[in-house]
Amino acid sequence: GAGVSQTPSNKVTEKGKYVELRCDPISGHTALYWYRQSLGQGPEFLIYFQGTGAADDSGLPNDRFFAVRPEGSVSTLKIQRTERGDSAVYLCASSPDTGNTGELFFGEGSRLTVL
Amino acid sequence: GESVGLHLPTLSVQEGDNSIINCAYSNSASDYFIWYKQESGKGPQFIIDIRSNMDKRQGQRVTVLLNKTVKHLSLQIAATQPGDSAVYFCAEAGYSTLTFGKGTMLLVSP
Repeated sequence: GAGVSQTPSNKVTEKGKYVELRCDPISGHTALYWYRQSLGQGPEFLIYFQGTGAADDSGLPNDRFFAVRPEGSVSTLKIQRTERGDSAVYLCASSPDTGNTGELFFGEGSRLTVL
Repeated sequence: GESVGLHLPTLSVQEGDNSIINCAYSNSASDYFIWYKQESGKGPQFIIDIRSNMDKRQGQRVTVLLNKTVKHLSLQIAATQPGDSAVYFCAEAGYSTLTFGKGTMLLVSP
C-alpha cells in the first residue's frame, strides 16, 4: 500500500485486558511515531523510533504502555491492564528520517474503547 | 480561542470565502511550525510549514503567517471549498516530536 496502515481500525476490550495495535509504515521510512488522540483534542506524542530503536519514549504515560519495532519496519504498541482512560484513537506516523521535517505521514488510526 | 473537551473552536464560512485560522503557541524557543488538516475518521495530513526565520510562506491556496513577537500563527485559505471542511491543527516541532494545539474546526457551506 502507498500509505501508513494501522490494524485493527477498531478495538473494543474490557478493563484489565491486554491489547496490541499494529502499524505498517510507508516502505523505506526509517522514522516511526505513535501518537494518541482523545476526542476533541490534538494528537499527543507517545514514542518515536529511528530504525529499530526507541529514540524517544518520553510520551508513554506509564509502564503499562510499551512499543517495539524489531526489524525497523512494522511496529506494535502494547497496552497491558487496560483502563477506561486508555480509550482514544492511537495514531501511527512515519517519515523518511528525522531530517528536521515536520511532515509526518499518518495512518487512519486504531480506535480503542475500553469498557 | 480555547476549547474545552468536545467544544472545538469553530469557524463557519461560505464556499468561496477566504478563511483565517489562528493559533497561539507557548514556547518562545520554538523555531519550526506546521499546519495539519484532519478530516473526520482520518489521520492528520500535512498542509504547510514555516521556520522562524520567515514570517510568511505561501502554498497552493494556503498562506501561513508567523508573528514571533506575540507567538501567533495563522493559516489563511483562499477561496474556501467544501472539501476544506476539517479540523486544523498547528504544531510546534521539537527534535523528535510534534506538539499539537487543540485544533479549530472549519465548516464550509456550499
